Amino acid sequence: KQEVTQIPAALSVPEGENLVLNCSFTDSAIYNLQWFRQDPGKGLTSLLLIQSSQREQTSGRLNASLDKSSGRSTLYIAASQPGDSATYLCAAADSGGSEKLVFGKGTKLTVNP
Amino acid sequence: IAGITQAPTSQILAAGRRMTLRCTQDMRHNAMYWYRQDLGLGLRLIHYSNTAGTTGKGEVPDGYSVSRANTDDFPLTLASAVPSQTSVYFCASSGLMNTGELFFGEGSRLTVL
Repeated sequence: KQEVTQIPAALSVPEGENLVLNCSFTDSAIYNLQWFRQDPGKGLTSLLLIQSSQREQTSGRLNASLDKSSGRSTLYIAASQPGDSATYLCAAADSGGSEKLVFGKGTKLTVNP
Repeated sequence: IAGITQAPTSQILAAGRRMTLRCTQDMRHNAMYWYRQDLGLGLRLIHYSNTAGTTGKGEVPDGYSVSRANTDDFPLTLASAVPSQTSVYFCASSGLMNTGELFFGEGSRLTVL
């Protein structure tokens, strides 16, 4: 059974800092891995989707990498801003014909002005 | 483009009552999902649908039912609500089952007393 873990559960950084959020998964046979952002009281917004054949994806100040062999993905945020404060979740799509996307519990990021 | 619309946004319900959470998408996505999000437990899949006319059980299906009469609508029904069903419910959709980007609604906050 796939398990997805995000450590730390919470992170506080000063504005302007570059930071990395971590996501690990137990079964390396995945279709893709997605990163989401969730603001308080809101739904999840997709940030980046990395297919299993890809190593990384970039969107603006965000860069997500995928290392299937080690069961890890990272989300790199450059030059963080207070508006980046949110909870970031990763989710692994199982390649075994499973119908579910397995989510981590998220990292709550606070960027202090 | 509205994306995914959920209703109601919030509801307080007496135990034993029947409740239907509505979900409509305008993206013509084949796959739709219902998740519940609870503090400390993360997102858990309740039911899903690959395409109109088909549904399947997720991780926590007991006490819930769904239907998929057409592509756009995917209602979630609680036949007889219990306090443990107090949660935030999210509807989501994707173009391809477990291989595509996942889009979420804004959520329905349900409190069962």
